[in-house]
Amino acid sequence: DVVMTQSPLSLPVTLGQPASISCRSSQSLVYVDGDTYLNWFQQRPGQSPRRLIYKVSNRDSGVPDRFSGSGSGTDFTLKISRVEAEDVGVYYCMQGTHWPHTFGQGTKVEIK
Amino acid sequence: EVQLVESGGGLVQPGGSLRLSCEASEYTFGTPWMGWVRQAPGKGLEWVANTNQEGSNRYYVDSVKGRFTISRDNAKSPLFLQMNSLTADDTAVYYCVTGGAEATTWGQGTLVTVSS
Repeated sequence: DVVMTQSPLSLPVTLGQPASISCRSSQSLVYVDGDTYLNWFQQRPGQSPRRLIYKVSNRDSGVPDRFSGSGSGTDFTLKISRVEAEDVGVYYCMQGTHWPHTFGQGTKVEIK
Repeated sequence: EVQLVESGGGLVQPGGSLRLSCEASEYTFGTPWMGWVRQAPGKGLEWVANTNQEGSNRYYVDSVKGRFTISRDNAKSPLFLQMNSLTADDTAVYYCVTGGAEATTWGQGTLVTVSS
């Protein structure tokens, strides 16, 4: 199975400051169709996961533009340009290129 | 926006069975893959099973092979997960997810608790 490794696992951030989460995969996530199926999710306390970013860098409708995704191959990053209070939660990367689809361990974002 | 509603969770004894269901608020043409993702209490996410539009291609994570069956008759029918020979390790919130590799939309989840 493809192992997804996130870092850090805990991320205390000051309001208004940037935050960055790294996600590395044990294999390339480029699919035969040329797309890279790397997604990012936010899970707020008590809620189900919500997709923020799909195929590395495409932001979902309604997602604030302070969220951005980048990367290629096996190395990916989620950035929050200015953290707001509503961004508290756990963030997961997920690969959909290989079966079984797998998730990173999750990064808990909290306000300092 | 499509909404997904899961049902069928509950308390079951070890070795028992449960059948989960997932209904979509609307079925759009070409809703290809649907699947189930679970989250044990306080833990991360694990993709359990996936099926295509017609239910003819099915994939399972190794830990549930031979015990769980995902099913779907067509693109406009509900999604099911038949779970047999349940163990304590299967205790989790089970989410219905559309979009396959892109995991587009998630339901609110249904809790399955395996305990005597």
